[in-house]
Amino acid sequence: QPHLVQSGAEEKQPGASVKVSCKASGYTFTNYAIIWVRRAPGQGLEWMGWITPYGTDTYYAQNLQGRVTVTTDTSTSTAYMELRSLTSDDTAVYFCARVPQAGYSSYFLDYWGQGTLVTVSS
Amino acid sequence: SYVLTQPPSVSVAPGQTAMIACGESNIGSKIVHWYQQKPGQAPVLVVYDDSVRPSGIPERFSGSNSGNTATLTISRVEAGDEADYFCQVWDSSSDHPVFGTGTKVTVL
Repeated sequence: QPHLVQSGAEEKQPGASVKVSCKASGYTFTNYAIIWVRRAPGQGLEWMGWITPYGTDTYYAQNLQGRVTVTTDTSTSTAYMELRSLTSDDTAVYFCARVPQAGYSSYFLDYWGQGTLVTVSS
Repeated sequence: SYVLTQPPSVSVAPGQTAMIACGESNIGSKIVHWYQQKPGQAPVLVVYDDSVRPSGIPERFSGSNSGNTATLTISRVEAGDEADYFCQVWDSSSDHPVFGTGTKVTVL
């Protein structure tokens, strides 16, 4: 059974950076893309960025371009999301999720991490 | 770019049927997926490819997609179905997901 386990909650000051990890198990890591999605209080789901299985290609939401980086370490089956220049608007729960690509023309997120609360406050 | 519009809330009595709409011009030509998110939990995929249920999702959950509206139907609603529900399509022109605005389902 696929399993994604994320790092723990973070509290940051405005202007700082945060890096969240997502360790995968129960499947072949390099066969699936990983996407990062966040949900701010009272808001909906917002995609942030995603990375192809071997980390060869990355895609970022336009409104976060330049502030977010997603990477993978295939040797440890771990994905990372770093967000820089944090503001209070970045306070949210951050999720990683697996994206099956092979055989699909429309991608979806089939397994999700448990979520990581990032609080930005002075 | 797509804007997937959902009703903010739907209320339903236990045992009845809840229908959650996801509207967008000609959404019937796209493929729609649905997620359930309960408070304090991660989202769960409940329907993919318009109408396919992942393993472990009850048959009470079904999806359809035609014209300008995709619909998630929950039959014989239970108290445990109370959650936020989101539709999603994949924008292949810019290679990213688009999520619906979300619907809070309340079981009366």
